Amino acid sequence: GESVGLHLPTLSVQEGDNSIINCAYSNSASDYFIWYKQESGKGPQFIIDIRSNMDKRQGQRVTVLLNKTVKHLSLQIAATQPGDSAVYFCAENNDYKLSFGAGTTVTVRA
Amino acid sequence: DTGVSQNPRHKITKRGQNVTFRCDPISEHNRLYWYRQTLGQGPEFLTYFQNEAQLEKSRLLSDRFSAERPKGSFSTLEIQRTEQGDSAMYLCASSLSLQGGEQYFGPGTRLTVT
Repeated sequence: GESVGLHLPTLSVQEGDNSIINCAYSNSASDYFIWYKQESGKGPQFIIDIRSNMDKRQGQRVTVLLNKTVKHLSLQIAATQPGDSAVYFCAENNDYKLSFGAGTTVTVRA
Repeated sequence: DTGVSQNPRHKITKRGQNVTFRCDPISEHNRLYWYRQTLGQGPEFLTYFQNEAQLEKSRLLSDRFSAERPKGSFSTLEIQRTEQGDSAMYLCASSLSLQGGEQYFGPGTRLTVT
């Protein structure tokens, strides 16, 4: 079965608002997670990653939070833009192999 | 464009036919991965190479599937005697063999078996 999974398959957000996408994982030994964005007709694109020795990491308009106690991570997108419309995946990186969840489709409303 | 490229982008074939896909990784990347993605799901790992050596194959990769990376550069994925259940997007990714080396994905080859 899946080692990572997402809470909601879809998310609709107003342009300019913040988005939060959640992901749960089951393996307490997991130590490296990555968020990917996949637009229609394209392969997944790296957004941001986090290792288990951190609980927060920030990028440009994105923040990933990791809660190891409850085995949960989230991706926050600030000031969501139309170009953020895509499917977002969390993935566990086991050195060479990525294990993906099912994805959350984010739709940005104008 | 110096990213990962895949050809063809789309392939329609009849059940029972053989198909072959090609992946050209980023030139300095020594690791190459194949994933399969069905509609509404995340990609699933199939196999990976470090240079020309195929180091792991998923149980998803039946005997009808074979992958090669003969010179440690481009890779091919062949599916023999295709079945309708093989219809999916086949994604290739590449990376450097550093711990946690980021995997860069190609655009994928969408296979439809009729």
